[in-house]
Amino acid sequence: SAVISQKPSRDICQRGTSLTIQCQVDSQVTMMFWYRQQPGQSLTLIATANQGSEATYESGFVIDKFPISRPNLTFSTLTVSNMSPEDSSIYLCSVGFSEGHGYTFGSGTRLTVV
Amino acid sequence: AQSVTQLDSQVPVFEEAPVELRCNYSSSVSVYLFWYVQYPNQGLQLLLKYLSGSTLVESINGFEAEFNKSQTSFHLRKPSVHISDTAEYFCAVTPRGYQKVTFGIGTKLQVIP
Repeated sequence: SAVISQKPSRDICQRGTSLTIQCQVDSQVTMMFWYRQQPGQSLTLIATANQGSEATYESGFVIDKFPISRPNLTFSTLTVSNMSPEDSSIYLCSVGFSEGHGYTFGSGTRLTVV
Repeated sequence: AQSVTQLDSQVPVFEEAPVELRCNYSSSVSVYLFWYVQYPNQGLQLLLKYLSGSTLVESINGFEAEFNKSQTSFHLRKPSVHISDTAEYFCAVTPRGYQKVTFGIGTKLQVIP
């Protein structure tokens, strides 16, 4: 399985600012996924990031708020823009290699917006 | 669409006692089933998965889960828990032929010394 390095591990940010989260994978993957894990709630898929194309966003998430880059097959970033306290969550990136393989997750970024 | 229900948000259990974490799912198509574990301040790790074949699957650290198609369940069990098993456990499903994963809300297992 892949090894994912996700940075930063945690951050405390001011309301109205933006934070970019990086996800580096030790092997090439076609699809990368970004999730949000809010306290007491299930993991929610934000978007799927394919290399060389626009990310596909899930219902309730928009590109202006969560722009994603995927410059190559081993790297992706998620930006949380114009943050508010409601954005305080853990954000995780994930990769999967083949159908039914299961998914590998990064260690997550714990974001607190004050 | 798929959905996953984990009936217990928290499960306290004494060390060396057995435990069962319940997971039910709904889907109109065939699915793959997973259990993930999240230790404090860490990311999710795949614990075990059911793809096909034997309905009983096992992990390397003594957990097992049984796929029951008629009851649409995939409960996780361990006959004797350790302190180190304290973590949050997530049940997940993904439709065959598609990579989107739906997670349950998670069950926090608290092992009491």
